[in-house]
Amino acid sequence: DTGVSQNPRHKITKRGQNVTFRCDPISEHNRLYWYRQTLGQGPEFLTYFQNEAQLEKSRLLSDRFSAERPKGSFSTLEIQRTEQGDSAMYLCASSIRDSMNTEAFFGQGTRLTVV
Amino acid sequence: DAKTTQPPSMDCAEGRAANLPCNHSTISGNEYVYWYRQIHSQGPQYIIHGLKNNETNEMASLIITEDRKSSTLILPHATLRDTAVYYCIVRVPGNTPLVFGKGTRLSVIA
Repeated sequence: DTGVSQNPRHKITKRGQNVTFRCDPISEHNRLYWYRQTLGQGPEFLTYFQNEAQLEKSRLLSDRFSAERPKGSFSTLEIQRTEQGDSAMYLCASSIRDSMNTEAFFGQGTRLTVV
Repeated sequence: DAKTTQPPSMDCAEGRAANLPCNHSTISGNEYVYWYRQIHSQGPQYIIHGLKNNETNEMASLIITEDRKSSTLILPHATLRDTAVYYCIVRVPGNTPLVFGKGTRLSVIA
């Protein structure tokens, strides 16, 4: 499968615990995006990378959230001291920069439940 | 914030054309219209995009009005598998992340 891969698909954690999600983009894609989606809403942008550089962060990305893309390939999103309001689907997408056909390809997401 | 307005829901009979409208009255000259859809429990999927000319691919057709203030996504022969939330997005290609609104929930009915 050469699509965007996200792991784990589901995560249940207790409030206050830290969680980390991983995203493996399509191999030649230099842009990687993180989104969050709650029930009944469209995906909300969190942050994106071009190669290993984090270019933009949404105001939704509180200081409990941190994202990395250390070698410009896979990325991790960590949430520290999780809260119930963090329960959501976390989506990763990748695309190629400098192309007019810059459609983004999304993974299946990681569903986080904070109890 | 999303710069588009879409109806929250629509129904379509299986086999008929589904016409999904989108208003984007504040679109700027270098912004394209993109359509994505999201089937339940999956990530969004790209459908089509265009600037000012009508576009067609194997999935759908995109009709953009001459003033570019609105567009319509057409699924020519809707099937049950087309049941999804459809998002209309305007953006400058390659420069900004996709900004999603609430989209239109299309239900294809047998």
